[in-house]
Amino acid sequence: GDSVTQMEGPVTLSEEAFLTINCTYTATGYPSLFWYVQYPGEGLQLLLKATKADDKGSNKGFEATYRKETTSFHLEKGSVQVSDSAVYFCALRGRTSGSRLTFGEGTQLTVNP
Amino acid sequence: GAVVSQHPSWVICKSGTSVKIECRSLDFQATTMFWYRQFPKQSLMLMATSNEGSKATYEQGVEKDKFLINHASLTLSTLTVTSAHPEDSSFYICSARAAQGVVINEQFFGPGTRLTVL
Repeated sequence: GDSVTQMEGPVTLSEEAFLTINCTYTATGYPSLFWYVQYPGEGLQLLLKATKADDKGSNKGFEATYRKETTSFHLEKGSVQVSDSAVYFCALRGRTSGSRLTFGEGTQLTVNP
Repeated sequence: GAVVSQHPSWVICKSGTSVKIECRSLDFQATTMFWYRQFPKQSLMLMATSNEGSKATYEQGVEKDKFLINHASLTLSTLTVTSAHPEDSSFYICSARAAQGVVINEQFFGPGTRLTVL
């Protein structure tokens, strides 16, 4: 079945540091890939997505590229801010699963001033 | 656009009572709504998928008689936790899938409901 594996957290960075959160997936065919962000005490917000190989999703300085050859969708940001502190979830939606999402375990990011 | 609300945002109840959580799509029609449960520092676990006007489909291991789901309209789904016990304490999140529009098939998430059972 479909699965998503994220790099284990927590991740702690200083402000303006470079961020990478690794995400790899297993799925039949070519799924759509997503990154969601969850701020403390809140629900999930879609951060970015990519629907086909080599697509790059980007939003708020975050980027992730759909790599079919490595089945990866790593999240990156060149310079993190304190306000980026949150939990980040990688997710996929299979081609045959309708709108059902499969989530990774989540990675807690803390950015210190 | 594509806003999903949940009510209440948090609730504390006594063991043995029932609690109802509402999930509303405010500016779009949702043929499908999803209910998730999230334990502290863990990922989201899909509990059930509800389609407007039909019975919900529950994931394996989720008791349908304990977690009653009703999706009576295209903008409202409810989750009722019956005879709640402390182990039901959790963060419950709903999401809604748009019935039409450019973001069809996309899930939009509510802000979550924190349930604490004493």
